[in-house]
Amino acid sequence: NAGVTQTPKFRVLKTGQSMTLLCAQDMNHEYMYWYRQDPGMGLRLIHYSVGEGTTAKGEVPDGYNVSRLKKQNFLLGLESAAPSQTSVYFCASSYDGTVNYGYTFGSGTRLTVV
Amino acid sequence: AQTVTQSQPEMSVQEAETVTLSCTYDTSENNYYLFWYKQPPSRQMILVIRQEAYKQQNATENRFSVNFQKAAKSFSLKISDTQLGDTAMYFCAFMKRGGIQGAQKLVFGQGTRLTINP
Repeated sequence: NAGVTQTPKFRVLKTGQSMTLLCAQDMNHEYMYWYRQDPGMGLRLIHYSVGEGTTAKGEVPDGYNVSRLKKQNFLLGLESAAPSQTSVYFCASSYDGTVNYGYTFGSGTRLTVV
Repeated sequence: AQTVTQSQPEMSVQEAETVTLSCTYDTSENNYYLFWYKQPPSRQMILVIRQEAYKQQNATENRFSVNFQKAAKSFSLKISDTQLGDTAMYFCAFMKRGGIQGAQKLVFGQGTRLTINP
C-alpha cells in the first residue's frame, strides 16, 4: 500500500545510547517531516526537509539530527538518548507538486529512554 | 509564530449526541489552512476536515462540520450523531499557505480526548 512507513514501531533505549528512526514514502512527495507527540503538548515539529539533500530545524530540534540522502527516505537520529526524548515520533510527507496541502502520516514509533 | 490552543483536554458525551470541540489560533497571516485530525487508539493520524481561510463557507464532511470565525480566530469542530468509533484524540492544526519556506508545516494544538459513551 502507498504511504509512509516508519521503522521501528517500538524501541527501548538506555540513556546515552544512539539510534536511527527510518521513514520511507512512496508517493514522490517533496516535503518530509519529523514530529514528536507528548501528552498535553500535541505534535511538535522536530526537523523537516523540502527536498532531497535538504534539512531544516523545526520547533524542538535539540538532541536530534536528520538526513535526506534520497527523496523517499528521511532519517531521524538520536546521538545520545535522554529520558526527555521518551515520546511517540511521527513521520509525515506532503506535496506532490499539485495544489494539495494534504499530509500523509506514518503510524508512529514509540520510543522509551530509561 | 503561529500558536493553536485547544482549551478542552477531555470531553465525554453519550452516543448519538452532538459535541463541539473548540480551537483558537493566533496568526498574523491572511492566507492559511486549518485542519482537524483524529487519532484513535491505533495511533494513526486521520484527516477529518479542512478549511481554507479565504473561503467564508464552513467546511462539512458528513457528520463533521466546522464553525470558522476568521475575525475571532476560532475554528470549532461539531460532530453530529456521534458514534462509538468517534472516540479518539482530536487535534486542531494550522498551516500557512504557500511558499517553499513555509514547507507546509503544520502547527498543532494540544489535543482534546473525546470519549463517546454507549
